[in-house]
Amino acid sequence: GENVEQHPSTLSVQEGDSAVIKCTYSDSASNYFPWYKQELGKGPQLIIDIRSNVGEKKDQRIAVTLNKTAKHFSLHITETQPEDSAVYFCAASNSGAGSYQLTFGKGTKLSVIP
Amino acid sequence: EAGVVQSPRYKIIEKKQPVAFWCNPISGHNTLYWYLQNLGQGPELLIRYENEEAVDDSQLPKDRFSAERLKGVDSTLKIQPAELGDSAVYLCASSFSINTEAFFGQGTRLTVV
Repeated sequence: GENVEQHPSTLSVQEGDSAVIKCTYSDSASNYFPWYKQELGKGPQLIIDIRSNVGEKKDQRIAVTLNKTAKHFSLHITETQPEDSAVYFCAASNSGAGSYQLTFGKGTKLSVIP
Repeated sequence: EAGVVQSPRYKIIEKKQPVAFWCNPISGHNTLYWYLQNLGQGPELLIRYENEEAVDDSQLPKDRFSAERLKGVDSTLKIQPAELGDSAVYLCASSFSINTEAFFGQGTRLTVV
């Protein structure tokens, strides 16, 4: 089955700096890669996703890049703000096989220091 | 539009007791998922429903866990009997189909003492 590794487990940045979280996956058939933000006491919330036919996707301060050859994808947050502090999860799935089982990484706790 | 609604938010029970969690997905969403999230870990899929049919339950510990989705809308997840190791957050999510984004509820935090 799919295995997703996520690094780092914790990340502290100064407000205004950029943050980068990296994930690798094992199943070359995976074709859907979402990123979720989870605040304390809440469920994960989708913030951006990318499919395997695209190499990069951007939404305001958030961008995701995908390297299918190396089987890794990354989340980039620019101009970080204190409200970006949360746990971020990457995930992977093969939606084309009729199964939409998301395999999640273990999460990155991001702290943005004012 | 209301999101995925779960209840209760918190539950504390003694080991060997039964417990049930309820989920109301977003209206019109045919696919429903139950995930288990241990402390400091990412969510892990327990079961996926397409309408009222459980199509992926390979990760569900069937000796003590059961789930149902009558009429293809609300769903319940039951544990009987609960064990100490079942303490975790149980998340419900729904999506319009298997190829669209999943929306998560706030989860039920279970503590077994």
